[in-house]
Amino acid sequence: EDQVTQSPEALRLQEGESSSLNCSYTVSGLRGLFWYRQDPGKGPEFLFTLYSAGEEKEKERLKATLTKKESFLHITAPKPEDSATYLCAVQAHSGYSTLTFGKGTMLLVSP
Amino acid sequence: NAGVTQTPKFQVLKTGQSMTLQCAQDMNHNSMYWYRQDPGMGLRLIYYSASEGTTDKGEVPNGYNVSRLNKREFSLRLESAAPSQTSVYFCASSEQGVAGQETQYFGPGTRLLVL
Repeated sequence: EDQVTQSPEALRLQEGESSSLNCSYTVSGLRGLFWYRQDPGKGPEFLFTLYSAGEEKEKERLKATLTKKESFLHITAPKPEDSATYLCAVQAHSGYSTLTFGKGTMLLVSP
Repeated sequence: NAGVTQTPKFQVLKTGQSMTLQCAQDMNHNSMYWYRQDPGMGLRLIYYSASEGTTDKGEVPNGYNVSRLNKREFSLRLESAAPSQTSVYFCASSEQGVAGQETQYFGPGTRLLVL
C-alpha cells in the first residue's frame, strides 16, 4: 500500500525566514510525486511534478527536490502570501494508478 | 477556460435526504475524480473515472454513487445522506503526461452539512 507522510503538521515562520517541508513516501515504483498548495476554503492548486531522484523544480520562492524516499519543498525568504497548506501526493508505477495524498503541512508566515 | 467547476458551493441536508453534486471540466481531460476532505484525514478518493464510460471505486466509496455523463461531466450522488458524510467534496480532472503521470486539477469544492 502506498503511503505519504508529511512533516511537520504545522510550521510558523517569520517573513524572510527560510525553511523546508518534508514529504516521505513508500510506493511500489514511483511514477510521479506532486506538490499542491491549498488556501483556506479553496481547492488544491497544482505546483510541481517530480519524476526521478535528483530532480529539482522551482517557482518563485519555492523549490521542490526529490530523493528515492522523500521530497522537500524549500521556501526561501517566505512572504505572508505564502501562508497555505502544502500537500504532497504520489502516483505508483502500475497500470492506471490514482494519487495517494499526505495530510499536508499548514504554513503560516507572519510579517 | 473555467477549469473544473462544481455546483453547489454549499448545501445543508437532513439525514436521509438525497442529493447530487455536479462537476464539469473544460480541459478535455479523460480522467475525473471525486474526493472528500475532512480535518485530520487529508484528501480521500471516493470514486474515479479513468475515461468516459468507466467508473471505479476509490478508498471510501460506501454511501456514494457516481455517473460519468460524458467526457466533461462527472456527478456524485448521495442516496440517503448521513451525518458522517458531512465534509468538503472536491472534484478533479487529470491530463496524462508523457511518462503516464496524472497531474490532477481541482475544483473549488462543495461544502456539505448533513444534520
